[in-house]
Amino acid sequence: AQTVTQSQPEMSVQEAETVTLSCTYDTSENNYYLFWYKQPPSRQMILVIRQEAYKQQNATENRFSVNFQKAAKSFSLKISDSQLGDTAMYFCALNTGTASKLTFGTGTRLQVTL
Amino acid sequence: DGGITQSPKYLFRKEGQNVTLSCEQNLNHDAMYWYRQDPGQGLRLIYYSQIVNDFQKGDIAEGYSVSREKKESFPLTVTSAQKNPTAFYLCASSGTGTSDETQYFGPGTRLLVL
Repeated sequence: AQTVTQSQPEMSVQEAETVTLSCTYDTSENNYYLFWYKQPPSRQMILVIRQEAYKQQNATENRFSVNFQKAAKSFSLKISDSQLGDTAMYFCALNTGTASKLTFGTGTRLQVTL
Repeated sequence: DGGITQSPKYLFRKEGQNVTLSCEQNLNHDAMYWYRQDPGQGLRLIYYSQIVNDFQKGDIAEGYSVSREKKESFPLTVTSAQKNPTAFYLCASSGTGTSDETQYFGPGTRLLVL
């Protein structure tokens, strides 16, 4: 069975600052995918970034980057130059198979302040 | 414009009533999924389908039913057997057997019990 743990229920960051959200996971599979999704107040789930486990290079999408530590089963999200529009719930998710389910963490609520 | 649509946005259910949530995608994805989200929790998988006319139970399938008669459509019925149906329901789709099995989500349906 797969598990995903997000140990920070809430975080706050000032505009233009950098924040890191933590995620740890557990799986016995060797090949898998990790994702960060953002859920703003509209509740639409929006893909932020994805990482394939067999790729050693950390994924980057504009202001968003990850620190993927496979041995430690850690997958943190760094948001640089935080903007007010980044205010949302952020979910870490794990996918271990073809067209199979995503296992989600419980989420981190991020508030970006002026 | 490719994407996933869900309707209705809000749905009210009376005691003993079955209700059906619609999910349509024009992304040409083979796989489709239904998730339930409760306050303070991540998403939990209800059902998923990898191909037309085939579907599998997820973690919390009791009280729900689905059909997959067309590739584009994956409706979810919340039956009277589901005793606590109040939640936010999200539909997703993804490719299969490709390098990108990222799940993309619709805008969701909020189900409330009268």
